[in-house]
Amino acid sequence: VQLVESGGGLVQTGGSLRLSCAASGFTFRSHSMNWVRQAPGKGLEWISYIDTGGRTTFYSDSVKGRFTISRDNGKDSLSLQMKSLRDDDTAVYYCVRDRPRAAGEFDAWGQGTLVTVSS
Amino acid sequence: EIVLTQSPATLSLSPGERATLSCRASQSVSTHLAWYQQKPGQAPRLLIYAASNRAPGIPARFSGAGSGTDFTLTISSLQPDDFATYYCQQYDTYSLTFGQGTKVE
Repeated sequence: VQLVESGGGLVQTGGSLRLSCAASGFTFRSHSMNWVRQAPGKGLEWISYIDTGGRTTFYSDSVKGRFTISRDNGKDSLSLQMKSLRDDDTAVYYCVRDRPRAAGEFDAWGQGTLVTVSS
Repeated sequence: EIVLTQSPATLSLSPGERATLSCRASQSVSTHLAWYQQKPGQAPRLLIYAASNRAPGIPARFSGAGSGTDFTLTISSLQPDDFATYYCQQYDTYSLTFGQGTKVE
């Protein structure tokens, strides 16, 4: 099982960024997926969920209306489109897999990609 | 939003000792609670799901208990590799939430 995030970097306050996650080693279309972030020196924060088919999504209040999660089961990939970025969005962003038919039980994590938002 | 409060914030123990970590939810989450271990510079790792089930490959010295609002993670005999930060997480209700973590040092 491998989850590899990409797309992180330095972005200006108010800007946009798109994160990607390439999945391999498992049947991607059988697992719901999430994004979880961790600000420097802080705890974990769940921010978004998408079901296996991509039809149902949830967001934390902190990103609702600014971030969009999506997936491409044909390409085994997960994405997070982020806009109107704020300084407090600075964090390591993890791509996270749910256990089969067990949404919320995070059994595989990527290594994370760092997003730094600064004016 | 369900708030998870972990205690203590820091637990200072020696190898071989027993560690007991607490997680309290602001409202019932049934048994929809998981525990994760995180070491510096690494992604978290799932230890326990559904309050008391060990994830595959997790040693038997890790055990979870509780339901409703009160949960514990017990490490029966600390090994050098167990010194890390531990997070509880509820998945009873979206928005999913994590506790603030307990550092075992």
